[in-house]
Amino acid sequence: AQSVTQPDIHITVSEGASLELRCNYSYGATPYLFWYVQSPGQGLQLLLKYFSGDTLVQGIKGFEAEFKRSQSSFNLRKPSVHWSDAAEYFCAVFTGGATNKLIFGTGTLLAVQP
Amino acid sequence: KAGVTQTPRYLIKTRGQQVTLSCSPISGHRSVSWYQQTPGQGLQFLFEYFSETQRNKGNFPGRFSGRQFSNSRSEMNVSTLELGDSALYLCASTIEGLGEQYFGPGTRLTVT
Repeated sequence: AQSVTQPDIHITVSEGASLELRCNYSYGATPYLFWYVQSPGQGLQLLLKYFSGDTLVQGIKGFEAEFKRSQSSFNLRKPSVHWSDAAEYFCAVFTGGATNKLIFGTGTLLAVQP
Repeated sequence: KAGVTQTPRYLIKTRGQQVTLSCSPISGHRSVSWYQQTPGQGLQFLFEYFSETQRNKGNFPGRFSGRQFSNSRSEMNVSTLELGDSALYLCASTIEGLGEQYFGPGTRLTVT
């Protein structure tokens, strides 16, 4: 069955430090993968997506993610975190075909220390 | 281009009542999906509509239903509300349902 795992429920980093949020997926075919960010009381904002091609994808707000098929991973990175990056981050895989839906991980809550 | 809009933003209902939530997709988007977000279950897919037809449905009871109009606007309805239906309901739109979904701000439903 398709699934997405985000092993880290909560992460705290210092402002200016680098960030890596982990995401592992289970999907039979070539996956369409996404990272979304959610601020408190808000909807989900698309950060970046991977459909095919270059395995390192760039997104908004200085985020990037690398698709590694051999590890079934799609980790999100940012070289220098800003206080405004504090939010919850969700990794998702699109199932397509007959089911046509996003399957989300449980999310990683990011706190940024000054 | 305007984003996905959802109304109302907040609702308080009593057990046993019914509720209707509305979603207007991005102009030109024909597919609308609904998701329920709760602290315990996370983000779960409810259903997807495309060209006024329900194309996919998640694992929710029949109390949850929806529809889509010819202008792609969508509504979802929950009948006989239960306390466990308290959640953030998110609507998302795509051009034709291929992966890249854009979300609205959500409707926060509280059932008392």
